[in-house]
Amino acid sequence: QKEVEQDPGPLSVPEGAIVSLNCTYSNSAFQYFMWYRQYSRKGPELLMYTYSSGNKEDGRFTAQVDKSSKYISLFIRDSQPSDSATYLCAMSAGDKIIFGKGTRLHILP
Amino acid sequence: DTGVSQDPRHKITKRGQNVTFRCDPISEHNRLYWYRQTLGQGPEFLTYFQNEAQLEKSRLLSDRFSAERPKGSFSTLEIQRTEQGDSAMYLCASSLEMGIFPGELFFGEGSRLTVL
Repeated sequence: QKEVEQDPGPLSVPEGAIVSLNCTYSNSAFQYFMWYRQYSRKGPELLMYTYSSGNKEDGRFTAQVDKSSKYISLFIRDSQPSDSATYLCAMSAGDKIIFGKGTRLHILP
Repeated sequence: DTGVSQDPRHKITKRGQNVTFRCDPISEHNRLYWYRQTLGQGPEFLTYFQNEAQLEKSRLLSDRFSAERPKGSFSTLEIQRTEQGDSAMYLCASSLEMGIFPGELFFGEGSRLTVL
């Protein structure tokens, strides 16, 4: 079993829809939970991070962590075509950051 | 531009040859990471440095891979006797370590390796 599992998609939704992206993990020692966005032919860039359980909101983006279920989510409200990218969840228990496979997201105009 | 830079951006080589990639991190960052990414996969951790010290190396990394960060500035990743399975995007990232949180990783655009 991989430490971090993420459905690779692709996920296609119409513009304006709410998008839900998810990851599960097996290592209960993970403390920091991150979401990175990667555009084609670019390196990933950090969207937001959360420490331990709970929710965090940043504009149209909301990150949720449920440590009891070992499940994290990213919600995107009012999705835009510019949100089309690969979204990578990432987690760390110390200095090493482990990434999920990434979910390819297409927002249809 | 003061971001992370990687060189070369694309390297095509024949099986059995050695290749070296260079990464120049953001100047004030003390941590430097190397990841490998193949099509449809997320970045796979290879190794990381705090200043000039290599603190961890993935068990997936064979002895053909070596990385250095002399003087805690730029880093090189060398692959000896390349194999076709080494074909991938090699990503470098740097960060400023802040206590427990490893810090936001700033990635370069990667060095794409094609082994024929």
